[in-house]
Amino acid sequence: EAQVTQNPRYLITVTGKKLTVTCSQNMNHEYMSWYRQDPGLGLRQIYYSMNVEVTDKGDVPEGYKVSRKEKRNFPLILESPSPNQTSLYFCASSLSGQGPYEQYFGPGTRLTVT
Amino acid sequence: GQSLEQPSEVTAVEGAIVQINCTYQTSGFYGLSWYQQHDGGAPTFLSYNGLDGLEETGRFSSFLSRSDSYGYLLLQELQMKDSASYFCAVRGQTGANNLFFGTGTRLTVIP
Repeated sequence: EAQVTQNPRYLITVTGKKLTVTCSQNMNHEYMSWYRQDPGLGLRQIYYSMNVEVTDKGDVPEGYKVSRKEKRNFPLILESPSPNQTSLYFCASSLSGQGPYEQYFGPGTRLTVT
Repeated sequence: GQSLEQPSEVTAVEGAIVQINCTYQTSGFYGLSWYQQHDGGAPTFLSYNGLDGLEETGRFSSFLSRSDSYGYLLLQELQMKDSASYFCAVRGQTGANNLFFGTGTRLTVIP
């Protein structure tokens, strides 16, 4: 089954404790992206990747890191999480090498930072 | 910069037709996309308009007017399961590959 998977689905952590949210897709998609969703603010892009070893900042990259060492994986790293990073996070991928068309979203990761 | 405006809430009756508007401002334009998100779920792609005009996919249609920086999603023969949030999205500035979403329109379908 074609899908985007994220782990963990739920995470409660404390301020400053490094964490990684994994994202993997099995569709051989070139484009991958991370979003956060907050009430009233819609989806905001954090980082995106056009292909392996090619990443770039989205709208709200501060406090996040990403890497793209393999085509299928695009982990999101929070080196020192803070409470304002409490949010619902989505990973997405799309086939086109021309950018973010028809994106497939993962199930989401709900992160709480206390 | 980029900005997208959509109504925050829309209510419609089952079986009716509803239109959700989206106006945008971008420094470059590469098409308007629409996504649906049910409560507790992930967004799912509905449609994409790269050129002016109407695109139809079953009960859903999407329209774009680039000269007016405006688009809409049209849902026909509304069903209760269409109750969800709908987001329009545009690609970022010229040459970039980032994506900007509107804040979403919550559609409630009532019997």
